[in-house]
Amino acid sequence: QVTLRESGPASVSPTQTLTLTCTFTGFTLSTSSMYVDWIRQAPGKALEWLARIDWEDDKYYNPSLRPRLTISKDTSKNEVVLRMTNVDPVDTGTYYCGRVAGTYFWATDVWGQGTTVTVSS
Amino acid sequence: QSVLTQPPSISATPGQRVTISCSGDNSNIGTYSVDWYQQVPGRAPKLLIYANDRRPSGVPDRFSGSQSGTSASLAISDLRSEDEADYYCAAWGGSLNGHVFGTGTKVTVL
Repeated sequence: QVTLRESGPASVSPTQTLTLTCTFTGFTLSTSSMYVDWIRQAPGKALEWLARIDWEDDKYYNPSLRPRLTISKDTSKNEVVLRMTNVDPVDTGTYYCGRVAGTYFWATDVWGQGTTVTVSS
Repeated sequence: QSVLTQPPSISATPGQRVTISCSGDNSNIGTYSVDWYQQVPGRAPKLLIYANDRRPSGVPDRFSGSQSGTSASLAISDLRSEDEADYYCAAWGGSLNGHVFGTGTKVTVL
């Protein structure tokens, strides 16, 4: 069974760096055509894709957020980490990680439950 | 930012058929396949359709997807109260643009 769980601080002060961890089970990120995405959702707003990392450690970013984002993986721990620098109140929302598999034509077939982050001073 | 355009809301009565449109361009839907997600308020999204028209195991065949050119659509037949949710389309936009989501459509069952 594939599961993903997001973890990180519930609140962050403006200008700080937000670090989120996605811990997963049921698959390995060293398997061909396997990826992990980070997606977020501001309150009452649409989903917004943030970043993707693949089994070969290739990384892809939302171009509008690229300067502030870093995605990395620790295959031995089954973890993917997202760092977002210089956060602002507009970064408040729920952050999800999800598995993307080639067998599902690169759709996010399994999502974590999400972690809520509030950016406020 | 969303680059796939969906109608903000659709309302219908139980038993009706509804169709949600998703409009993109040649950098996304015109080149890559489309996925659809269902999100019940307060819950994580759930994959409903992938590769334009394929259903994951467990998704009822009342849900169907199609794609033509730079547009896609999701149809829900025999609408039920449990279908009340937000629906999002998504597609890959290439390595420079990444994954793009639609603006979302709220389906209300009257």
